[in-house]
Amino acid sequence: DIQVTQSPSTLSASVGDRVTITCRASQSISDYLAWYQQKPGKAPTLLVYKASSLESGVPSRFSGSGSGTDFTLTINNLQPDDFATYYCQHYNSFSPIFTFGGGTKVEIK
Amino acid sequence: QVHLVQSGAEVTKPGSSVKVSCKASGGTFSSHTIAWVRQAPGQGLEWMGRITPILDRINYSQKFQGRVTITADESTTTVYVHLSSLRSDDTAVYYCAREAPDDYIWGTGGWFATWGQGTLVTVSS
Repeated sequence: DIQVTQSPSTLSASVGDRVTITCRASQSISDYLAWYQQKPGKAPTLLVYKASSLESGVPSRFSGSGSGTDFTLTINNLQPDDFATYYCQHYNSFSPIFTFGGGTKVEIK
Repeated sequence: QVHLVQSGAEVTKPGSSVKVSCKASGGTFSSHTIAWVRQAPGQGLEWMGRITPILDRINYSQKFQGRVTITADESTTTVYVHLSSLRSDDTAVYYCAREAPDDYIWGTGGWFATWGQGTLVTVSS
């Protein structure tokens, strides 16, 4: 089974910082990777799909990159609304495989 | 744009079963793939299974095989997840989510663009 490992599990940052979260797959997954933001008590919201495609309505300070086994989610100019937990997800609807990373909590420094 | 509304919180006992509903509005119900994803308290996200009515396609995670049943009622545009033989570690928020894109048209996909609000299921004696 393909595993996806997120790091770090917790990240402390300040408003205005640039933040990078990584997701590593145990084998190549092409660009079959999505990123989500989740706030306490709420459902996740989609940020990025196909590793680097920004979901409609998501601010441009969010960006995704990578392919194969190594992926990153970058948040430029961190805003107060961005303090949340972020998850990566490997997907393959034909296999079917849907595997989430363990999450990264972005906290206020 | 699909909108998903789930049923309310449930409290159940170990060994029993629970059925959670997810009513879809907008779009063409039978052509959508609806998945169930759960999240135990303080934990991450876990895919349980999915249904695509137009394809008669149902898939389950191996972890839940034999305990989970996902069904769809096209007359009420509602998807259900039924989980049996409940244990305390089944206590979680259960989410329905629409899988995107429609892979039988657009090719490999599997991200979740739309989510229900979540249903807390508590298993306790």
